[in-house]
Amino acid sequence: DQQVKQNSPSLSVQEGRISILNCDYTNSMFDYFLWYKKYPAEGPTFLISISSIKDKNEDGRFTVFLNKSAKHLSLHIVPSQPGDSAVYFCAATYNGATNKLIFGTGTLLAVQP
Amino acid sequence: DAMVIQNPRYQVTQFGKPVTLSCSQTLNHNVMYWYQQKSSQAPKLLFHYYDKDFNNEADTPDNFQSRRPNTSFCFLDIRSPGLGDAAMYLCATSLQGIGGETQYFGPGTRLLVL
Repeated sequence: DQQVKQNSPSLSVQEGRISILNCDYTNSMFDYFLWYKKYPAEGPTFLISISSIKDKNEDGRFTVFLNKSAKHLSLHIVPSQPGDSAVYFCAATYNGATNKLIFGTGTLLAVQP
Repeated sequence: DAMVIQNPRYQVTQFGKPVTLSCSQTLNHNVMYWYQQKSSQAPKLLFHYYDKDFNNEADTPDNFQSRRPNTSFCFLDIRSPGLGDAAMYLCATSLQGIGGETQYFGPGTRLLVL
């Protein structure tokens, strides 16, 4: 049973426009949600996170929104840059779980120059 | 730079031949994790160590074992690899294993089973 779902395997966006990556989850016990970015031949790198007590967290061009009632979160990248082209993984964890991450399947973002 | 290192980056083994994947870290983190990622699937946690305490996921096959001889190193042993074990294996670390902490990943080892 996939507890974290990323239903869009890929997304293509023009440089300078907004990229919106979506993620849904089923487990209401999750306390933290994280986004990781992965380039080919590299491991995932942490991008941004949000606690379940918040509905928005912003870091530069990256903003994550959390809608707990809908069990949905999204990552907004504004403006998108070609260097943002990568696979983006949504992940979740909960307190007491030794920070074990439950990942989605990822969304491949391609930012066209 | 502090980092998580995985060796080798690519490993080819034969069906049924034991194989060991290696992970080391210079971050001095207490927690080390092993994830398995098959093609187009989500990375899936196999097990983790909190210091010397081993924690196995309920659905991790017995074929997979792990060792952590010291803080810096952690090994993944696959006793009898099957074709279905071909995957990317990711090692990660976390300072205290507190929810929401950043996990730092190595580049992964891609395992091919012939």
